[in-house]
Parts: sequence; structure tokens; C-alpha cells
Amino acid sequence: GQNIDQPTEMTATEGAIVQINCTYQTSGFNGLFWYQQHAGEAPTFLSYNVLDGLEEKGRFSSFLSRSKGYSYLLLKELQMKDSASYLCAKNSGYSTLTFGKGTMLLVSP
Amino acid sequence: DADVTQTPRNRITKTGKRIMLECSQTKGHDRMYWYRQDPGLGLQLIYYSFDVKDINKGEISDGYSVSRQAQAKFSLSLESAIPNQTALYFCATSDFGGDYTFGSGTRLTVV
Repeated sequence: GQNIDQPTEMTATEGAIVQINCTYQTSGFNGLFWYQQHAGEAPTFLSYNVLDGLEEKGRFSSFLSRSKGYSYLLLKELQMKDSASYLCAKNSGYSTLTFGKGTMLLVSP
Repeated sequence: DADVTQTPRNRITKTGKRIMLECSQTKGHDRMYWYRQDPGLGLQLIYYSFDVKDINKGEISDGYSVSRQAQAKFSLSLESAIPNQTALYFCATSDFGGDYTFGSGTRLTVV
């Protein structure tokens, strides 16, 4: 199968740091995407990791360990507008994506 | 104009009716996809196409069909809609490297 696991929900406080984890099966791996999705809207691209390590983009960073089948998305200096669902998606080859169920992040004041 | 345009944005239809969801893109990408999203679930791949003459089934193709009329157009049909096909449908395009662009979605309700 292509099980991609991520927590269902997380809560955090404005200004804090939160880490959203994602695990996946390592077979047929070509890359790992993170998307942000607000309710009823299209997913928007956050990051794409192909190689091991941490990639930083402003307040958002993404980490990948290919041998462990593990990735995380790190959000710093949380803002209320960061309340959304965060989707982890594995590129399984031929650019088809397999998505996790998403992690709903609620940022409170 | 949006890079990926889906029509309609919202649709309510009756059980047993045939319905077509349309998608057009201006990205110039060869690869196009249809995904379905149910509440609390991630996106599931219905069909994908890597060029006009290439159509492939995804994870959940039963009850759906597609047509790739041109490089820029990829439509999804429900031949006989049923209530459990009520969902949010997304069309997407990508280049070879997987740079995805999603449409705004079509919210379909089957009553």
C-alpha cells in the first residue's frame, strides 16, 4: 500500500512553533510534498523535498529522511491565518501523488 | 485568469443523472489529474493523463470516466451519479518534475 500517516489534529498558540510529522512507505519514493489547504479551497504548495535534510522558506521549513520514511513540516511564529489543513503527499513516480489525510492545525490567540 | 479553471464551481444533481465536470489549463502542461476529496480525508486520485492519447486509472476510478479532448482540456464524467460521490473534486496539472497546479475545485452534491 501507500499508507501515509500524519496526525489528524494539532493545536498551538499564536507566536509558537509547531511540527507536523508525516511517515510513509519508502518503496517507490520520488519526493515528498507539503501543501496547505484552507477549508473548501485548493491546496497550495509549501515545499518539495527530494533529498535528505532541512529546507527553510521563511517561517516554514520541511525536513526529510528518506531511509526512515519520515518528514516534518515546521511552522514558526504562528499566525492565526496559519489555521488550516496541512497535507503530506508522496510522489510515487510519474508525478502521481498519494496524499495523507491531512493534519488540521488550529492556532489560538 | 486562473491557470487551471474548473466548471462548474458548485453543482447539485439527482441520483442516476449523468454529469460532466470540466477542466481547462493554460500552464502548457502535458500531465492532468482528477482528484476527489471527502471531508476529513486527503485527496484521492481518480484518473490521470500524461498526454492526449494517454489515460490511466487512479485509486478510485469506479463510477467515473474521463476524456482528454486536447492538451488543455480534461473532463470527468459520472455516468450515473450516486450519493456517495458527493465530494469536492479537484483538477490539477503538472510538469514532468511534479510541479502541481490545482484548480479551485468543484463541489458536487448528489441527492
